[in-house]
Formats: sequence, C-alpha cells, structure tokens
Amino acid sequence: GAVVSQHPSWVICKSGTSVKIECRSLDFQATTMFWYRQFPKQSLMLMATSNEGSKATYEQGVEKDKFLINHASLTLSTLTVTSAHPEDSSFYICSALEGGSNTEAFFGQGTRLTVV
Amino acid sequence: AQSVTQPDIHITVSEGASLELRCNYSYGATPYLFWYVQSPGQGLQLLLKYFSGDTLVQGIKGFEAEFKRSQSSFNLRKPSVHWSDAAEYFCAVGPTGGFKTIFGAGTRLFVKA
Repeated sequence: GAVVSQHPSWVICKSGTSVKIECRSLDFQATTMFWYRQFPKQSLMLMATSNEGSKATYEQGVEKDKFLINHASLTLSTLTVTSAHPEDSSFYICSALEGGSNTEAFFGQGTRLTVV
Repeated sequence: AQSVTQPDIHITVSEGASLELRCNYSYGATPYLFWYVQSPGQGLQLLLKYFSGDTLVQGIKGFEAEFKRSQSSFNLRKPSVHWSDAAEYFCAVGPTGGFKTIFGAGTRLFVKA
C-alpha cells in the first residue's frame, strides 16, 4: 500500500519557538493532504486540508496564523506550529490522498509535540 | 452533516472471547467506511475498509466488519480476542471526492486474562 512518512516522530521545543513537521508521500503523488490533531485519549480532529499549490483550508476554530501549512509539491506538506505554547502539545497526524483515487487516505505515523 | 458515532467509550473482554465494536454513521451519500486501530503513542493502522460490493468485509488480524445500510452501521467483530488487540479503535467515514475523513470518538479495548 501507499506509504506516508512523517518527520519527526517526536519533538520537544521551548515555549515561543516554532516547530515544523513534514508529511511526505513516498510512493505516490498526493494532490490533497490533511492535518489532524489528537489530544490524549481523544479522537482525531481535522485541522486543515491542503491542496498542492494552493492555500490550505482550515477548519473552524483553527488559527491559520499559528498553524502554517504549506503544500508546495505533490509529495510534501509541512505544518509549522509558530510561537508554540504548552497547550499546543499534542499528537499531530497527516494523511494524503492519491491523485485520481479519492477513496482512501493514507496516514502518517504521527508526530508527538511537547512544548515546555 | 456527516458524523460517526461510536457509542462505547471503552469495552473490556476476556482473552479468547468474541468482540463487537459498534459504529453508526450519518452520511449524505454512499459512504466509504473504515476501521483503524491505534496503539498508545502510535499512528493509525487500517484494519479494513468498505467501498461497495459484499457487505461483509474481512480485514487484517482476524477482524471483520459488516455494513448495514438500513441501520447505518458498520460494526467491527472478531471471534476470538488476543491480548495484543488491546488498543484504541476508530471508525471513520470518507473521503469521497477528496473530502475529509471523519472519525468517531474511538473505543478503547481492554483485554483481561
């Protein structure tokens, strides 16, 4: 099956700094990628949808200036958490849709972000 | 609006016993349905999926699920649970036409010896 890789798997950063998380589709071209956030013992909540070459569409309540999403190529999307605070600590997961086959999204392994 | 409901927050079963995890969905069109499993601190693993055709689908690790349109359900089953099945299970609907995948709240499975 298609493989989506996230990097890093975990990251610890100081409050006030920015952190970038990468999501790569390794063996297919992803026209659409999604970013989810998961708090402990909770479900995955969609943050934003990104289409290659265009601006991301953010879900209601998600601060687009805080969570910067870039989908510059068909195999890479990045999520940058700017000026991170402890409340941004969470598990972030991306998924990708293969172009021309919009039936199943493939998920990355997730990134554990801890802001101290 | 599309939604997925998993009525059971957590379930405890004995090792070797059968398992059924419930999932109900609300979707405006024919849904694409999925079950994922997540171990603590890990990503998602796809167990099985339903797009069309036979309403009983087989997945990995001995799991199966049955799509019942009349009940808007897609329950996950396993005839004999193993201790390694203890994890969080998510039912999901979508995506279609590039739309997002919507997840249920999840059901935590505990397996007792």
